Amino acid sequence: DAGITQSPRHKVTETGTPVTLRCHQTENHRYMYWYRQDPGHGLRLIHYSYGVKDTDKGEVSDGYSVSRSKTEDFLLTLESATSSQTSVYFCAISTGATDTQYFGPGTRLTVL
Amino acid sequence: GENVEQHPSTLSVQEGDSAVIKCTYSDSASNYFPWYKQELGKRPQLIIDIRSNVGEKKDQRIAVTLNKTAKHFSLHITETQPEDSAVYFCAASRGGNNRLAFGKGNQVVVIP
Repeated sequence: DAGITQSPRHKVTETGTPVTLRCHQTENHRYMYWYRQDPGHGLRLIHYSYGVKDTDKGEVSDGYSVSRSKTEDFLLTLESATSSQTSVYFCAISTGATDTQYFGPGTRLTVL
Repeated sequence: GENVEQHPSTLSVQEGDSAVIKCTYSDSASNYFPWYKQELGKRPQLIIDIRSNVGEKKDQRIAVTLNKTAKHFSLHITETQPEDSAVYFCAASRGGNNRLAFGKGNQVVVIP
């Protein structure tokens, strides 16, 4: 499982509250990604990081921000959660030596 | 950006038969094509990938073929078994840890 953990694994929150999801890796990989998965949409990239403090937007970045202050942690923040952000969120890493991405176990987020 | 489409959306096969899923991509510069399998409630798992300098790759009952001229690649599963039932995602990227663009997924159901 490429040493990737996500926390929390499940979260229920209310509209308008801030939420932070954490992705943690143990193997010092350079690249990290945040995706959301929704029925009928597959996996869509939210943000990604190519190093400490180096991040960029994906295709569905509106309403999300990220931070990477350490190699091992990539945080995804919903500043003010909305019901449209109810989804399953997956973190992924890439070694940098190849293009292969490995996924974390996912976080199921429900915004009421 | 890259656009990846998968067909058919749902595929039912009798156990022991073969299953074929086809993906088309739009960016002729894409050169890395992975396939992921996702079981219900689990993370996507890489099952096979291919690069543009190779036309076909096999791993036991799974194979992937690539047609760069037509810009499509296919996953072939032979001698299907019930444990092959899952959602399969294809993806494409330009490599160099560029972003992966995912298709929306195919549900494969293997009927015992």
